[in-house]
Amino acid sequence: DAGVTQSPTHLIKTRGQQVTLRCSPKSGHDTVSWYQQALGQGPQFIFQYYEEEERQRGNFPDRFSGHQFPNYSSELNVNALLLGDSALYLCASSPVGFRETQYFGPGTRLLVL
Amino acid sequence: QKEVEQNSGPLSVPEGAIASLNCTYSDRGSQSFFWYRQYSGKSPELIMFIYSNGDKEDGRFTAQLNKASQYVSLLIRDSQPSDSATYLCAVPTGNQFYFGTGTSLTVIP
Repeated sequence: DAGVTQSPTHLIKTRGQQVTLRCSPKSGHDTVSWYQQALGQGPQFIFQYYEEEERQRGNFPDRFSGHQFPNYSSELNVNALLLGDSALYLCASSPVGFRETQYFGPGTRLLVL
Repeated sequence: QKEVEQNSGPLSVPEGAIASLNCTYSDRGSQSFFWYRQYSGKSPELIMFIYSNGDKEDGRFTAQLNKASQYVSLLIRDSQPSDSATYLCAVPTGNQFYFGTGTSLTVIP
């Protein structure tokens, strides 16, 4: 049984560009949350998707948007990239009925030059 | 005041000792508390969670919760070099998780 998967693993972009990160949840999981983790910091909650809707959003600008598909997979889109967007982006999925129990994917490391 | 606070360390303990990691939280209404382990360059891995006041044991790990003091801790007994990692405390509020900055633990052989 595959765990949470994310793609790509690494990405280099330049300021002003747009990026799309992808996440496939663990089998039996229906909720996906996205986090940004800067070096030396704890993960910062971006938003959570459940039933293809954004259920909760953290303190991130509208440049960060997402989507959840009928198969529960999810995308994170970031527009107009800034240098400060360089970070590890983590996707976490939660099993049906246990939304608080989150399992993380390996992450996508984004570098903005 | 941050929602979740941890001592960033670093914390060093000799092999075989007990490592004690602490976390305080600000939302008195919080009901569940999670500990994650994160190795350098890797993603967080769920270790255990606790909902009720008192202790919860899982192998060499014990989580302790004191809601009156808004304090949760993680004890690692018989610490091993493989336990060297950053330990993150996480507290959900609604559908949003708040993480501490993590405590870096080094177990010295």
